[in-house]
Amino acid sequence: EPEVTQTPSHQVTQMGQEVILRCVPISNHLYFYWYRQILGQKVEFLVSFYNNEISEKSEIFDDQFSVERPDGSNFTLKIRSTKLEDSAMYFCASSEEQGVFYGYTFGSGTRLTVV
Amino acid sequence: SQQGEEDPQALSIQEGENATMNCSYKTSINNLQWYRQNSGRGLVHLILIRSNEREKHSGRLRVTLDTSKKSSSLLITASRAADTASYFCATPRGSNYQLIWGAGTKLIIKP
Repeated sequence: EPEVTQTPSHQVTQMGQEVILRCVPISNHLYFYWYRQILGQKVEFLVSFYNNEISEKSEIFDDQFSVERPDGSNFTLKIRSTKLEDSAMYFCASSEEQGVFYGYTFGSGTRLTVV
Repeated sequence: SQQGEEDPQALSIQEGENATMNCSYKTSINNLQWYRQNSGRGLVHLILIRSNEREKHSGRLRVTLDTSKKSSSLLITASRAADTASYFCATPRGSNYQLIWGAGTKLIIKP
């Protein structure tokens, strides 16, 4: 069964450093998303991406965050200058149609620890 | 406003019993989705029920939706140890690009 692949599975970084979280969505999917889950808290929407541009972003997704689809297969989330509060599990998801109407396929997540 | 609140927060039952989890939401919705998350792992889409549907089945899963009460329930029949996980409901926000998630129900199936 097709999968969304995320790398790395766990990343530890120092506060103020830049991190890039990588995702390979399912190949025929058109919609891509990043969500995050701070330990013990709810899953939160960060950004959706369609047709090579951001469709929507949440208030969490400030200027420190950016997304890119550098080639036909990868979808990345960059955090420019990490803060302690960025420590969370980051989930990439993709969908063939708009995921809010049909459901998402999520990756296994990247656990980001900012120290 | 908070959307998608599950109860109970935690549920522990014996293997073979049925597990019922509930979700309430506040605004009108297009659909409601249930996801499972094994400890420290990714989110797995279980089932989506549309606002014009009242009940939906998928294997041992049964989901109901009551739009008049703004609530949904997820029933897992004949539970197995492998069903141990956290279960989340999620609903689209008005923008149609994002899901709003509940805090989840942690289900433990005792062998």
